[in-house]
Amino acid sequence: AQKVTQAQTEISVVEKEDVTLDCVYETRDTTYYLFWYKQPPSGELVFLIRRNSFDEQNEISGRYSWNFQKSTSSFNFTITASQVVDSAVYFCALSETGTASKLTFGTGTRLQVTL
Amino acid sequence: KAGVTQTPRYLIKTRGQQVTLSCSPISGHRSVSWYQQTPGQGLQFLFEYFSETQRNKGNFPGRFSGRQFSNSRSEMNVSTLELGDSALYLCASSSSGYSYEQYFGPGTRLTVT
Repeated sequence: AQKVTQAQTEISVVEKEDVTLDCVYETRDTTYYLFWYKQPPSGELVFLIRRNSFDEQNEISGRYSWNFQKSTSSFNFTITASQVVDSAVYFCALSETGTASKLTFGTGTRLQVTL
Repeated sequence: KAGVTQTPRYLIKTRGQQVTLSCSPISGHRSVSWYQQTPGQGLQFLFEYFSETQRNKGNFPGRFSGRQFSNSRSEMNVSTLELGDSALYLCASSSSGYSYEQYFGPGTRLTVT
């Protein structure tokens, strides 16, 4: 069975600090997809990134970057120079080929960025 | 392009009643998935509809059901409500069955008293 673990329940940083959110996953499939979503206080999940299991290239998008390592089954998310607007709950999720639309989510990491 | 819309946004029901929630996907999207979010269980997949057919189902009792219409709009129904059904119900749409990128609506907050 697939599983996603986000061991960090809550992280507090001061604005402009860098922060890394950890995600470890388990799956028996060789083809799978990993995602990160952001959930601000409004409640709507905002899609951030999708990565398939064959693409281990790291990705950078502005202040966001993702590090995918199949060897350690991890898909970590780093925010550089954090801002107050980054305060939210961040979810890592996994889907397998046969049930592509079924996302298995981690428990989320609440990020609090203060001035 | 309008995003995923869900109605109503808030709902209060009494134990034993039934409830219907509605989701309108992004225009052109044919896949609609439903998730339940609670503090205790987190985000859990309920089911997915594609072209009016249920394609995937999570581990929820039969009290939870859904359907999809020809215009891709979807409804989910919960019968015989229990206190534990209080949750944020999120709907997500994607452009095709296997585009993998799901876009979520704002959710319906259901409170069962």
